[in-house]
Parts: sequence; C-alpha cells; structure tokens
Amino acid sequence: EIVMTQSPATLSVSPGERATLSCRASQSVSSNLAWYQQKPGQAPRLLISAASTRATGIPARFSGSGSGTEFTLTISSLQSEDCAVYYCQQYNNWPSLTFGGGTKVEIK
Amino acid sequence: QVQVVQSGAEVKKPGASVKVSCKASGYTFSNYYINWVRQAPGQGLEWVGIINPANGGTTYEQKFQDRVTMTTDTSTRTVFMDLNSLKSDDTAVYYCARGKRVDTPTVLSPFDYWGQGTLVAVSS
Repeated sequence: EIVMTQSPATLSVSPGERATLSCRASQSVSSNLAWYQQKPGQAPRLLISAASTRATGIPARFSGSGSGTEFTLTISSLQSEDCAVYYCQQYNNWPSLTFGGGTKVEIK
Repeated sequence: QVQVVQSGAEVKKPGASVKVSCKASGYTFSNYYINWVRQAPGQGLEWVGIINPANGGTTYEQKFQDRVTMTTDTSTRTVFMDLNSLKSDDTAVYYCARGKRVDTPTVLSPFDYWGQGTLVAVSS
C-alpha cells in the first residue's frame, strides 16, 4: 500500500495571502496525484488531477505541482470560501487508491 | 449532467448488515468504475473498494475483504454496497464516487463525481 502523508495538519492563513499544502507519497506515484476540497457536511470535490490539471470550474488561484513523491497544492490568494479540508490521493496504484490524512485550511 | 444519488441514512445495531445504494445518471453507466469511500466522524477518507458496473467485477480493500459485497444493477443504473457484521467503528459517512473508464485500462483517473454520502450509524 502506498502511504500518503500531508503537512501541515492545520494551516492558518490571512485573507489574500498564499497557502501552500504538501503531500508526500511513500513511493513514486508518477503524476497520478489528485487534490480534493471538502467543506463541512459536503462530499469531497475534485480540484486537481494529474498533479497539476485543474478540474472544470476550479478557480485559477488553485494550482498543483510536483511528481514522483513530492507534491504541492497552492492557493495563491486565500478567500474565505477556501476554508476547508484538503486531501491528496494517489491513483497510480490502481485500484487501491489511497488518501492523505488531510490539511485543514483556516482563516487567520 | 452527471449525477450520483445515494440512499438515506441508516441506524443499525452491532452485528447487523447494511445495504447502501448509489444511482448514477447523465452518462453511460457501464463505462465507468464506481468506488466506495468512507469517512468516520472527524476523520479522513478511506477507500473501501471498487466495482465494474458492466460485469460486476470487484476489488476490496483488504481490511473489508471478509465483510463487504458490492453489486450492480444495470437496469436501474445502481450499484450497492453491503457491509455485514457491523461494529461501532463502522459508524461513518459512506460515499460512492465515479472513477476511471472501464474501456481504457492504461488511463488512470481520480474520482470526478461523488454522491452526497450516506450516514451509517452503528449503536446498541
């Protein structure tokens, strides 16, 4: 099983500032890495696939980078509606697709 | 448009079974795998297993291997997840989510459409 580790667990960022979230895989997942956003009481929503491709309708302030074992999700200018938990997921080791533990983003 | 709609919340006693349904619309049902993911209260996301709606082929996460069964009904475009021998730590929201295409084995993709979730509460 590929273990996904996210850091930090909680990130406090001022409105308009940059938020940087990290995700590390226990072995290479190539670029088969996705990011999801989950707000309280809602299902996760796909933000990024293939490490850096925004899903339909996702604002340009969200960007992803990385390959292999190290990945980053950046929110360039944090908005209040971006407060949520963000999960990374590897889908390289199909069909066993594992998630990271999540990073909670809050407004400072 | 693509929609994935799940059945309603369930309350079960320890040792019982639960069957959750997931109805898909807005796309060719048999063309995409359906995954099941669960989330315990205040916890992260845990993959449970996957089903090929076209032929019913399944793969389950090892920890659920002995207790979960996933099935499909192509006539109603619905997949089901049956979990038996319920324990209190099975209390969670269970999600179904559309995965990769069935007809492109080498093309990998994440979960692009999710159901709204079904709360399964296990309590005596």
